[in-house]
Amino acid sequence: EDQVTQSPEALRLQEGESSSLNCSYTVSGLRGLFWYRQDPGKGPEFLFTLYSAGEEKEKERLKATLTKKESFLHITAPKPEDSATYLCAVQKGTSGSRLTFGEGTQLTVNP
Amino acid sequence: NAGVMQNPRHLVRRRGQEARLRCSPMKGHSHVYWYRQLPEEGLKFMVYLQKENIIDESGMPKERFSAEFPKEGPSILRIQQVVRGDSAAYFCASSPVGSNQPQHFGDGTRLSIL
Repeated sequence: EDQVTQSPEALRLQEGESSSLNCSYTVSGLRGLFWYRQDPGKGPEFLFTLYSAGEEKEKERLKATLTKKESFLHITAPKPEDSATYLCAVQKGTSGSRLTFGEGTQLTVNP
Repeated sequence: NAGVMQNPRHLVRRRGQEARLRCSPMKGHSHVYWYRQLPEEGLKFMVYLQKENIIDESGMPKERFSAEFPKEGPSILRIQQVVRGDSAAYFCASSPVGSNQPQHFGDGTRLSIL
């Protein structure tokens, strides 16, 4: 059975304090690993897709990396507006198939 | 989350009533997915549809739940004879045909059962 585990469950940072979120996965035939951001009362907002080990993607203060067993979301010099729940999801090797989500990391960045 | 439109945003039903949740995918998207987020839990897949076809319903409860995506109009998730345990946020996502494009989500329908 596909499994996605995110850690930590919650993370509090001071503004400017860089850190990383972890997503460990077990899936046969990974098609893609996805990172989303979810604000309270909203739907998940797409951030990145990673397809193969060694791949990296960047957007503003966020950088996502992928190995054969896990992905990291690095947050550099975060700001209070980066506060949100960050979700990791995996998709198996069939185009258009379901996403299996982890339970998320709730990030709070204090000014 | 502009593009995927869900309505209503909030829905209150009494036990035993029916709930109908609607989802209009992004323009040009013909794949629709429904996910459920129970309180204090992660997003769980329910069903994957293309126009007039159910592709994967392995995450749907066996009874009371059904979904459709007709040739014209929005996708509908229907819950018959609702119970308190159906209270959750229901999210719809869409993606284009046959590509590596990600699924884009709507802002969900919050269903409350009295």
